[in-house]
Amino acid sequence: RKEVEQDPGPFNVPEGATVAFNCTYSNSASQSFFWYRQDCRKEPKLLMSVYSSGNEDGRFTAQLNRASQYISLLIRDSKLSDSSTYLCVSPRGKLIFGQGTELSVKP
Amino acid sequence: ETGVTQSPTHLIKTRGQQVTLRCSSQSGHNTVSWYQQALGQGPQFIFQYYREEENGRGNFPPRFSGLQFPNYSSELNVNALELDDSALYLCASSRDVEYEQYFGPGTRLTVT
Repeated sequence: RKEVEQDPGPFNVPEGATVAFNCTYSNSASQSFFWYRQDCRKEPKLLMSVYSSGNEDGRFTAQLNRASQYISLLIRDSKLSDSSTYLCVSPRGKLIFGQGTELSVKP
Repeated sequence: ETGVTQSPTHLIKTRGQQVTLRCSSQSGHNTVSWYQQALGQGPQFIFQYYREEENGRGNFPPRFSGLQFPNYSSELNVNALELDDSALYLCASSRDVEYEQYFGPGTRLTVT
């Protein structure tokens, strides 16, 4: 089993929609997680850090469920510019990346 | 912009050659990590350098080696290049080992 697993998608949603991604992890010792986004052929950019049960930043909300070992990312009021690949990451010194979830927001 | 720079941006090599990729970390960061990202995959950890010492290594063969310099910039060296080494090589710096990592734009290596 991979240490971090994501639904690869793609998720195709209209502008203004709410979309949620889940990410499961296998190492119960992991204390914190990051969400990165990676646009086509560009480097990953840090979106949010999740150190406790959750974190909110504008339209983005990340939650950590330790009992079920999953992290979620909720995007409200989707914008065209949200189209990207979202990577769930477990930081234990090195970053363990999931394979990414592709989001496409359509007009 | 993260302040992390990498050079070159693109590189084409032939099988069996050697390559050196360079990374300048963000000011105030002492940790540099290197990742390989094949098309359609998430980045895979190669190794990490903390204060000029290797601090962890992923599942890559010894022909992948690195260095970190006193100014915390870093190099990734790959010997005896293979076709499967074709990938985007990403460098990320952080202010310490457990903190958020910020990525450079990457070096796209093509091995023919």
